[in-house]
Amino acid sequence: GENVEQHPSTLSVQEGDSAVIKCTYSDSASNYFPWYKQELGKGPQLIIDIRSNVGEKKDQRIAVTLNKTAKHFSLHITETQPEDSAVYFCAASNNAGNMLTFGGGTRLMVKP
Amino acid sequence: NAGVTQTPKFRILKIGQSMTLQCAQDMNHNYMYWYRQDPGMGLKLIYYSVGAGITDKGEVPNGYNVSRSTTEDFPLRLELAAPSQTSVYFCASGHRLYEQYFGPGTRLTVT
Repeated sequence: GENVEQHPSTLSVQEGDSAVIKCTYSDSASNYFPWYKQELGKGPQLIIDIRSNVGEKKDQRIAVTLNKTAKHFSLHITETQPEDSAVYFCAASNNAGNMLTFGGGTRLMVKP
Repeated sequence: NAGVTQTPKFRILKIGQSMTLQCAQDMNHNYMYWYRQDPGMGLKLIYYSVGAGITDKGEVPNGYNVSRSTTEDFPLRLELAAPSQTSVYFCASGHRLYEQYFGPGTRLTVT
């Protein structure tokens, strides 16, 4: 089955700096790659996603890039703010397109 | 819309007891999912459903059962609870695999 690895497990940045979180996946048939943000005590919330026919997608301060050849994708957050502090999860679809496999999560801390 | 609701928020079970975690959504989504999240880990899929009357196993289904008699409800049943089932359980729904909406979670402790 699909295996998704996520790095780093923790990331501390200064407010205003950029943050990058990276994920690799194993199933070359995966074609959907979402990113979720989980705040303390809450369920994950979708923040951005990308499909395999696109190399990059942006939404204001966040962007996701995908390299299908190398089987990795990354989340980029620019001009970080304290409210960006949370746990971020990447995920990849399976080849049947009916399940997501999640990475282990990255705890992002933005210091004011 | 209330979105995805889960009850209870917290529960402590003794080993061997059974319970049902409730999940409901009011967004008319066909797809519903149950995940578990162990401390410091990602989410693991337990069961999912693509519509009323249809359920299928995910990555970690052992020790759990589900049913989907209506579009709105997707309860998760734990039979003979074990300490390994101590976790936070999240229910999610969506029109398809994409853009899943998660509930607030149920924190379960089995002692």
